[in-house]
Amino acid sequence: QSALTQPASVSGSPGQSITISCTGTSGDIGGYKYVSWYQQHPGKAPKLLIYDVSDRPSGVSGRFSGSRSGNTASLTISGLQAEDEADFYCSSYATSGTLLFGGGTKLTVL
Amino acid sequence: QVQLQESGPGLVKPSETVSVTCTVSGYSINSGNYWGWVRQPPGKGLEWIGSIYRTGSTSYNPSLKSRVTMSVDTSKNQFSLNVTSATAADTAVYYCVRVIVGATRGFDYWGQGTLVTVSS
Repeated sequence: QSALTQPASVSGSPGQSITISCTGTSGDIGGYKYVSWYQQHPGKAPKLLIYDVSDRPSGVSGRFSGSRSGNTASLTISGLQAEDEADFYCSSYATSGTLLFGGGTKLTVL
Repeated sequence: QVQLQESGPGLVKPSETVSVTCTVSGYSINSGNYWGWVRQPPGKGLEWIGSIYRTGSTSYNPSLKSRVTMSVDTSKNQFSLNVTSATAADTAVYYCVRVIVGATRGFDYWGQGTLVTVSS
């Protein structure tokens, strides 16, 4: 199965809101409510931001929110801050019990 | 708090086996979560390898299933990964993770990662 599709890069200014998309198929994103989002700063381990499409783990800022429409999931970051600059990855459970990741999106805060 | 720490060989020769162990502290492996492995080749994206439950029940990435074995040692609060017949494509940072719910629905705790290089 192919990886999920994310834009290579997105950018925004401090205080703005940005959205990162993650496109799959009916066999993954569209078929299961099991989409997660991760943030990874350079040289660090990823951090879970969202699971089960829109749930936030304890301790994750409310500025991060997730949603899904059809075969596309989205991560929205509101009130953009300089420290949000990082790589972001989506993942989804897929048919046959596997887990797919997106290729990653580099967020630049201007 | 929950901490995960990988330990591995650093350098593995082609055709040999990549073996990595994860030691969990601050939380019991018997507490009901799945545990797993994710790898990241240098400069590239993430790849799920597989997940394991305290009972030894496993779920593997189909693309790696023929070469992967995971095991758990509840007495040591550890779990381990073996990837056989290693090639340069297995060169990556290997992360151990705790699954927040189910076998793959979100990885809420990560180890710092250990770089394994496959080279002669």
